[in-house]
Amino acid sequence: QVQLQESGPGLVKPSETLSLTCSVSGASIISYYWSWIRQPAGEGLEWIGRISSSGNTNYNPSLKSRVIMSVDTSKNQFSLKLTSVTAADTAMYYCARLTGGPIYWGQGTLVTVSS
Amino acid sequence: DIQMTQSPSSLSASVGDRVTITCQASQDISNYLNWYQQKPGKAPKLLIYDSFNLEKGVPSRFSGSGSGTDFTFTISSLQPEDIATYYCHQYDSLPFTFGPGTKVDNK
Repeated sequence: QVQLQESGPGLVKPSETLSLTCSVSGASIISYYWSWIRQPAGEGLEWIGRISSSGNTNYNPSLKSRVIMSVDTSKNQFSLKLTSVTAADTAMYYCARLTGGPIYWGQGTLVTVSS
Repeated sequence: DIQMTQSPSSLSASVGDRVTITCQASQDISNYLNWYQQKPGKAPKLLIYDSFNLEKGVPSRFSGSGSGTDFTFTISSLQPEDIATYYCHQYDSLPFTFGPGTKVDNK
């Protein structure tokens, strides 16, 4: 079955860059868009952006100046970088395929921004 | 951005009750709306896609309807395992947006 697995540091210092990778198994990332979504504790879901297997990106304007997404089709992975983080970026981060066919979500990874 | 509102923000219901949640979009999104269930510490789980289609494996007590700007999600007979937060999600226009959620708990 299709599985998405987020990985990356669980603790990031303020002003530094948050880096996460989503590894996809059971399906090829080719020909789809892949999204990142985040959720602060006790709050709702915020779509961060998405990337296609060819590298086309769409970012949420609220985060666009700080977001960089990339894709590695050889590893069936895609990645998120969020620069200049603050405590407000502390959240559960999910990778997902939200459109274009069956929907899949990773289990999420908690990232805390703290010194 | 398309703003999504949900009503109510929370509700208390008993097992067997009919539960209805509404979601309104700030502009026409056709039927590009999904409903998710989220339990604490878990990723959202898709229940309804394209406004009214039941995801495979999801019990038939869950249903959705609507198009344009107004949508409804219904649990026909609430079960204990349905205690969760429910979100609507529009994917008609970028940036994708989610409703603020409706928390369903036990009366």
